[in-house]
Amino acid sequence: GAGVSQSPSNKVTEKGKDVELRCDPISGHTALYWYRQRLGQGLEFLIYFQGNSAPDKSGLPSDRFSAERTGESVSTLTIQRTQQEDSAVYLCASSLPTEYTEAFFGQGTRLTVV
Amino acid sequence: SQKIEQNSEALNIQEGKTATLTCNYTNYSPAYLQWYRQDPGRGPVFLLLIRENEKEKRKERLKVTFDTTLKQSLFHITASQPADSATYLCALVAGGFKTIFGAGTRLFVKA
Repeated sequence: GAGVSQSPSNKVTEKGKDVELRCDPISGHTALYWYRQRLGQGLEFLIYFQGNSAPDKSGLPSDRFSAERTGESVSTLTIQRTQQEDSAVYLCASSLPTEYTEAFFGQGTRLTVV
Repeated sequence: SQKIEQNSEALNIQEGKTATLTCNYTNYSPAYLQWYRQDPGRGPVFLLLIRENEKEKRKERLKVTFDTTLKQSLFHITASQPADSATYLCALVAGGFKTIFGAGTRLFVKA
């Protein structure tokens, strides 16, 4: 596609339910990132993929969070047993696997846990 | 600990003036630094990248400086316009390809 696509754009879920967020990166972009952005806050790094391996998972806030990626394409971020503090915008970005290159962001998924 | 700091207070300026935003970092030695713009409800959009061996980079009304001794980058918007109102984020690569973002500075340009 022309850009990074995320779905759904909005998700309202009940506390305790599991949610799955999807990211379709730009074709050819082997690097993929997930960030969390709480209201009025900056971007919090969650996880980075190079291809389908995740060399850096250091930002995942708890074991309720997991992410996977199929080949060099779609990635899913799963949050199990959601809590109200998980409410945020989850942003996905992709980039070429080279230095001195920018990241391209999707529009984000706004997650609200009620 | 490693930190990226941007002015948390919003910057209000008059149209036509130059806006200057600051990004300071500690305990990183990035090979390059980036600036992004974020509008409400949207993902960040890349603006400029500056390498560690570059002192200054320009693109139209935008100028970025990078001082690796001070561990600081300055982002300037000259002849600012109301359409420049947004949040501006600095970002750097903290090892491998892990890109870390500052919290951003909100800029308001008044007509």
